[in-house]
Amino acid sequence: QSVLTQPPSVSGAPGQRVAISCTGSSSNIGAGYDVHWYQQLPGTAPKLLISHNNNRPSGVPDRFSGSKSGTSASLAITGLQAEDEADYYCQSYDRSGYVFGPGTKVTVL
Amino acid sequence: EEQLVESGGGLVKPGGSLRLSCAASGFMFTSYSMNWVRQAPGKGLEWVSSISAGSSYTDYADSVKGRVSISRDNGGNSVYLQMNSLRAEDTAVYYCARASLPGYQYMDVWGKGTTVTVSS
Repeated sequence: QSVLTQPPSVSGAPGQRVAISCTGSSSNIGAGYDVHWYQQLPGTAPKLLISHNNNRPSGVPDRFSGSKSGTSASLAITGLQAEDEADYYCQSYDRSGYVFGPGTKVTVL
Repeated sequence: EEQLVESGGGLVKPGGSLRLSCAASGFMFTSYSMNWVRQAPGKGLEWVSSISAGSSYTDYADSVKGRVSISRDNGGNSVYLQMNSLRAEDTAVYYCARASLPGYQYMDVWGKGTTVTVSS
């Protein structure tokens, strides 16, 4: 069972906005640790998508954005595109080390 | 290009051992902590182990503590994961991942992974 919780799946039509929540606790996100997000396209390795709650690495489209508040964080995808269909994982840190959410599958309808 | 290439995966019987390797290139390996992260079939990501840049600090997930040992060779730009007393639940794709700087809070470069299957 993951320390962080995410919805198993979200879906949207091309061009729509979807959001993925990531809920932790006072020992991880609520303790001040930042939240980071990874995208895993089918059959490939994870790729860093958002760091430090809301920073996009070079090359990541600006339709991806992140936020954090209290013990939760959120990843938003605006202007959903077919190539955004993937699994998305949030990650933070606590006394047991790096912690990941269970992942959310984004389906483009 | 910053790159990580894992090797050493394979089929092993329960109770057996395996040593995974990760070769790094394209960046100053000696400056970075390194991690192993695994993904069981159809499941999510699970952090396994970390090692600091100079090998002075290592850490392990509770699920592998006592059975796994991480090490690195800074002269050869490689990191290793020695896995002993393997169980069926260790079956997964094992990824090598670089810890970010500063602060090691996330993993910014990932390898393609190597598959470990534990089965009789």
